[in-house]
Amino acid sequence: DAGITQSPRYKITETGRQVTLMCHQTWSHSYMFWYRQDLGHGLRLIYYSAAADITDKGEVPDGYVVSRSKTENFPLTLESATRSQTSVYFCASSEWEVETAGELFFGEGSRLTVL
Amino acid sequence: GQSLEQPSEVTAVEGAIVQINCTYQTSGFYGLSWYQQHDGGAPTFLSYNALDGLEETGRFSSFLSRSDSYGYLLLQELQMKDSASYFCAWVADDYKLSFGAGTTVTVRA
Repeated sequence: DAGITQSPRYKITETGRQVTLMCHQTWSHSYMFWYRQDLGHGLRLIYYSAAADITDKGEVPDGYVVSRSKTENFPLTLESATRSQTSVYFCASSEWEVETAGELFFGEGSRLTVL
Repeated sequence: GQSLEQPSEVTAVEGAIVQINCTYQTSGFYGLSWYQQHDGGAPTFLSYNALDGLEETGRFSSFLSRSDSYGYLLLQELQMKDSASYFCAWVADDYKLSFGAGTTVTVRA
């Protein structure tokens, strides 16, 4: 199906483990983003990517790693999970043309709990 | 620093009009977007303003004044299904979007 999908939707892990959240979009959008959402903080940008092999840090990148070898995929890895990384993670994509700048398409979210 | 300010909560009755204000202090400002998010769901795009003025999309309208670093989202003819969180987000000239903390709108019968 067309769209943007995230997996897993729910994940429970332990402190110190590596976790990878997957994000796949079928629109061939150039831009992709990872946000985390915690109560009272809205959405905070972790990393974003303008194209394959181009990534840049957002507001809260520490403890996270991203890659973008293909346009359609943008995985987010927590190299050594900590309890403070318990959150809901949203992936988003955008074509970013002048008329549609500011319009992001979000995945359904990945709810991560770190014990 | 860079910041976005919006009220934390708004309550109104069905059929009413609600205005959610958003003031920003940013550098490299390109435009202002608005998103809706229902509990447990993903944010969905509502509106985007790159230029000063009003953009109307059905019952929702959004306004931007660059000179005042201010925008608002206007929700008209409120319905119960409009109960949700609403976020303003500024679009930077390096193409990233940064979100405000959100406004919870509660619609009462």
